[in-house]
Amino acid sequence: TQLLEQSPQFLSIQEGENLTVYCNSSSVFSSLQWYRQEPGEGPVLLVTVVTGGEVKKLKRLTFQFGDARKDSSLHITAAQTGDTGLYLCAGAWYTGTASKLTFGTGTRLQVTL
Amino acid sequence: DVKVTQSSRYLVKRTGEKVFLECVQDMDHENMFWYRQDPGLGLRLIYFSYDVKMKEKGDIPEGYSVSREKKERFSLILESASTNQTSMYLCASSLQAGTTYEQYFGPGTRLTVT
Repeated sequence: TQLLEQSPQFLSIQEGENLTVYCNSSSVFSSLQWYRQEPGEGPVLLVTVVTGGEVKKLKRLTFQFGDARKDSSLHITAAQTGDTGLYLCAGAWYTGTASKLTFGTGTRLQVTL
Repeated sequence: DVKVTQSSRYLVKRTGEKVFLECVQDMDHENMFWYRQDPGLGLRLIYFSYDVKMKEKGDIPEGYSVSREKKERFSLILESASTNQTSMYLCASSLQAGTTYEQYFGPGTRLTVT
């Protein structure tokens, strides 16, 4: 069973600060997805990274896939209160019958004024 | 607008009851998934289905079964609910091929077993 460890588990910062969330595994994944989940809702996809070393930017969010495709990071620049939520990384792999995701343990981010 | 709907947002059941959680997607997706979400544990896969009447166990299938009689509908069944099945249950769907397709999630069902 693949495992994905996320750190930190909780993060409480003030608006304007920068932060980085890490997602680590001993397994290699075909791709790595990042989701954000808000209270009372299901997770929503932010980005998918596929190639080792790939970097993707989504406005103030920067996602990186490790060279060996075992780890990933999410960096938020100048956090805003609207960034508050649960961030989940998920490693994708193919079982032979379907594509599955293994989810990380999650990072709960709180951004305050 | 893509949509995954779940039959209930909140459910309270008694120990030993049979519980049905229903999920419907309108995207014609081949794959459907049931997860449970618990604090500090992330999302854990219970079962998934890659076609009508086809299913595979996920990481934590004990105490659960599933049914997929139609492509758009995937049901999770708790044969005899227990208190350790109190959790948030999330349904998701995705396209069949490849590992880059996103999973679309429903809003979740918060189940409490007393």
